[in-house]
Amino acid sequence: EIVLTQSPGTLSLSPGERATLSCRASHNINNNYLGWYQQKPGQAPRLLIYGASNRASGIPDRFSGSGSGTDFTLTISRLEPGDFAVYYCQQYGSAIFTFGPGTKVDIK
Amino acid sequence: EVQLVESGGGLVQPGGSLKLSCAASGFIFSSYSMNWVRQAPGKGLEWLSYISGDSVSIYYADSVKGRFTMSRDNAKNSVSLQINSLRAEDTAVYYCARGFLHVLWAYFDQWGQGTLVTVSS
Repeated sequence: EIVLTQSPGTLSLSPGERATLSCRASHNINNNYLGWYQQKPGQAPRLLIYGASNRASGIPDRFSGSGSGTDFTLTISRLEPGDFAVYYCQQYGSAIFTFGPGTKVDIK
Repeated sequence: EVQLVESGGGLVQPGGSLKLSCAASGFIFSSYSMNWVRQAPGKGLEWLSYISGDSVSIYYADSVKGRFTMSRDNAKNSVSLQINSLRAEDTAVYYCARGFLHVLWAYFDQWGQGTLVTVSS
C-alpha cells in the first residue's frame, strides 16, 4: 500500500498570496496517478488535478500541479477567499487507493 | 448533469447492519467504475471500495475487507455498500464517487453529497 504524507498540516496565508502544498508518497506512483481534491466544510470533495498536473474541468488556472515519482506539489498562485479549504492528495495507481491526511489552508 | 445521490444512512446500534445506496444519473452508468469513500467527523478521507463498470473487479481497503460488500445494478443505475458488524469507528459520512478512466486506472471526478452513518447504542 502506498502511504501519502502531506505537508504542512496547516498553511496560514492571506488572500493574494501563493500557496505551495506538498504530497510525498512512500513508493513510486506509476504514471503519475496522483490527484488533488479540495474540500470545504460541509461539502463533498471536488477534483482539482489529475495525473499530477492536469487541471480538471472548470478549475481555474491559478491551481497547478507538478511532480513525479514520489514528490508532488499543488500550487495556488494567488489565493482567493473561496480557496481557503482542506486539500487532499490521492494516488489511484493501484487496486488500493489512498488519500493523504490533508493540508488545511486557512486565513492568516 | 451528472448526479450522485446517496441514501440509507442513519443511526445504527453496534453490531448492526446497514445498506447504503447511491443513485446515479446524467451519464452512461455502466461505462464508469464507482467507489465508496468515508470521512469520520473531523477527520480525513478514507477510500473504502471500488467496483468496475461490469462488476468484474471489486477491491476493498484492508480496514473493511470482510465486513463491507460493494455491488452495482447497471439496469437501475445504482451502486450499493452493505456494511455488517458495525462499530463506533464506522461513524462517518459515506460518499460515492465516480471513477473517470485515466490510462489504466480512474480518478474520482464526481462525488455525491454523502450520507451520514452513526453507530451508537
